[in-house]
Amino acid sequence: GAGVSQSPSNKVTEKGKDVELRCDPISGHTALYWYRQSLGQGLEFLIYFQGNSAPDKSGLPSDRFSAERTGGSVSTLTIQRTQQEDSAVYLCASAPTYRAGAGADTQYFGPGTRLTVL
Amino acid sequence: GNSVTQMEGPVTLSEEAFLTINCTYTATGYPSLFWYVQYPGEGLQLLLKATKADDKGSNKGFEATYRKETTSFHLEKGSVQVSDSAVYFCALRYKAAGNKLTFGGGTRVLVKP
Repeated sequence: GAGVSQSPSNKVTEKGKDVELRCDPISGHTALYWYRQSLGQGLEFLIYFQGNSAPDKSGLPSDRFSAERTGGSVSTLTIQRTQQEDSAVYLCASAPTYRAGAGADTQYFGPGTRLTVL
Repeated sequence: GNSVTQMEGPVTLSEEAFLTINCTYTATGYPSLFWYVQYPGEGLQLLLKATKADDKGSNKGFEATYRKETTSFHLEKGSVQVSDSAVYFCALRYKAAGNKLTFGGGTRVLVKP
């Protein structure tokens, strides 16, 4: 079945360049999350989209990072003026609608995009 | 804030050995708890979860019990296989802090035949 897909799988860029990372969530999932996995920081939350609500951007490390989710489906994470410390694996996850008071909904992760900033 | 602490690896075991990975958490309130696994070359997968105190999550021979009194969610498996070699992540989700997962640092497990 179709899971969460991410592209590209690998991205090498030069310091100072902008990059865009794409996430295609599971069809019908209204929640979408971005995380990053780096050697120094482990797995950390970046941003969360839920339906038409304003996104939770509390995990974005700087204003060089932004994300959009168009039409409630595909999301793009943009990093401007990349720095070497941005090198990491960027993970996207999606989940069905979170129902208040219900049990925790499972987040399904994509394979990630490995970003290397030279 | 919320945080998760898990034992550092790597943990190296022989096949059929007993595995325990310790996980403790700090959170205000009652979070939901998870174990995720990352097999070599693959993405993160949910292994098991528990949503309230004393719940036991189980899957693929792994178990973890939500212990509120010790704020722990230790992962156990009675007899590991080579195919269990992976990185294991403990995580929590606390509704009042949004729906994001807070992860521990991960524990690499290597099972030798």
